[in-house]
Amino acid sequence: GENVEQHPSTLSVQEGDSAVIKCTYSDSASNYFPWYKQELGKGPQLIIDIRSNVGEKKDQRIAVTLNKTAKHFSLHITETQPEDSAVYFCAASLNSNYQLIWGAGTKLIIKP
Amino acid sequence: ETGVTQTPRHLVMGMTNKKSLKCEQHLGHNAMYWYKQSAKKPLELMFVYSLEERVENNSVPSRFSPECPNSSHLFLHLHTLQPEDSALYLCASSQDLAVNYGYTFGSGTRLTVV
Repeated sequence: GENVEQHPSTLSVQEGDSAVIKCTYSDSASNYFPWYKQELGKGPQLIIDIRSNVGEKKDQRIAVTLNKTAKHFSLHITETQPEDSAVYFCAASLNSNYQLIWGAGTKLIIKP
Repeated sequence: ETGVTQTPRHLVMGMTNKKSLKCEQHLGHNAMYWYKQSAKKPLELMFVYSLEERVENNSVPSRFSPECPNSSHLFLHLHTLQPEDSALYLCASSQDLAVNYGYTFGSGTRLTVV
């Protein structure tokens, strides 16, 4: 079955610098790749997603890139701010499916 | 609030107790989910309901029993739990039964089994 690996498990960056979180997936049929952000004491929240027919998608300071050949996708956060501190989860699925396969999460720490 | 409300926020129960977790959404969504979240592990899908009918029971032990009386409410009934069941239990909803609609999660119930 599908498997999603996420790295690193913890990432600490200086405020204002960029952060990159990487995920790899095993099922080449997967075509939908969301990213969720979980702040302390809250449930995960969808922040951006990408479908396999595009290679990159941007929304203000966040962007996601997809390399279908290598079966990996990445979350990029530029000009990091304290409110970016959270746990970030990647996931993969078929967009017609109801079950996401999740990564184990990356704890992002923004140092002042 | 995210639109999905879970109660209680925290629950401590003994292994012989019976308790229930409640989830409520007024987003007009047709699908609802129970997830288990343990530290440093991927989220584990437990149950899926679509239009109040159970679609998925992901090999979950029978000590967890879901109930969906209507499209706005979802319960998880707990009995004779084990300490390894201690975790954050998340409820989510989506417009329909497909991941690309995006999930709206509640804030979870932090369960501790003693």
